[in-house]
Amino acid sequence: GAGVSQSPSNKVTEKGKDVELRCDPISGHTALYWYRQSLGQGLEFLIYFQGNSAPDKSGLPSDRFSAERTGGSVSTLTIQRTQQEDSAVYLCASSSRRPEFGSYNSPLHFGNGTRLTVT
Amino acid sequence: AQKVTQAQTEISVVEKEDVTLDCVYETRDTTYYLFWYKQPPSGELVFLIRRNSFDEQNEISGRYSWNFQKSTSSFNFTITASQVVDSAVYFCALYGGSQGNLIFGKGTKLSVKP
Repeated sequence: GAGVSQSPSNKVTEKGKDVELRCDPISGHTALYWYRQSLGQGLEFLIYFQGNSAPDKSGLPSDRFSAERTGGSVSTLTIQRTQQEDSAVYLCASSSRRPEFGSYNSPLHFGNGTRLTVT
Repeated sequence: AQKVTQAQTEISVVEKEDVTLDCVYETRDTTYYLFWYKQPPSGELVFLIRRNSFDEQNEISGRYSWNFQKSTSSFNFTITASQVVDSAVYFCALYGGSQGNLIFGKGTKLSVKP
């Protein structure tokens, strides 16, 4: 598609259930990022993929959070045993390349996000 | 450590006023990139500008202008003659070469009233 696609757009789940959030990046984009935006907060970095590997997982808030990317394209963010504090908008972004010294020329393109509500 | 501070949480102006959104950053990298993104009520993040650390030339794009000053570690954003459609949350962000991710500030919510 023309832009980054995320699904579902909204997800309501009960506390303790697992959820999977999907991100379909712009075709050809090798870098993929997941961010979380809580109500009234900025964007919290979660994880970054270059191709299928994740060189930076430093932002994952707990071991209940995991992400994978297959075929250098679609990525899935999984939250196990959801808690109410997991409620947020989860944003995915892609870029044609990882920002490198002197060669960064492609901004991140963001999807519309998945609004997760844990009841 | 890298950090982006947007001290203004919310700003409210009347249409046609000029408004400046502040952004102060911290980084130990000598090469880094600064960004501004706009998030309208629809929620999508829209890229506005990227500036690298070696280019302190200010930039103007229509009603938008950006003032990058390394001496004060600031990258401020000015909207001239604001319009209601400018109402959004604006995020400043920093990418430093030593890290792989883009660090965002907490955002400034701009409300432009008719």
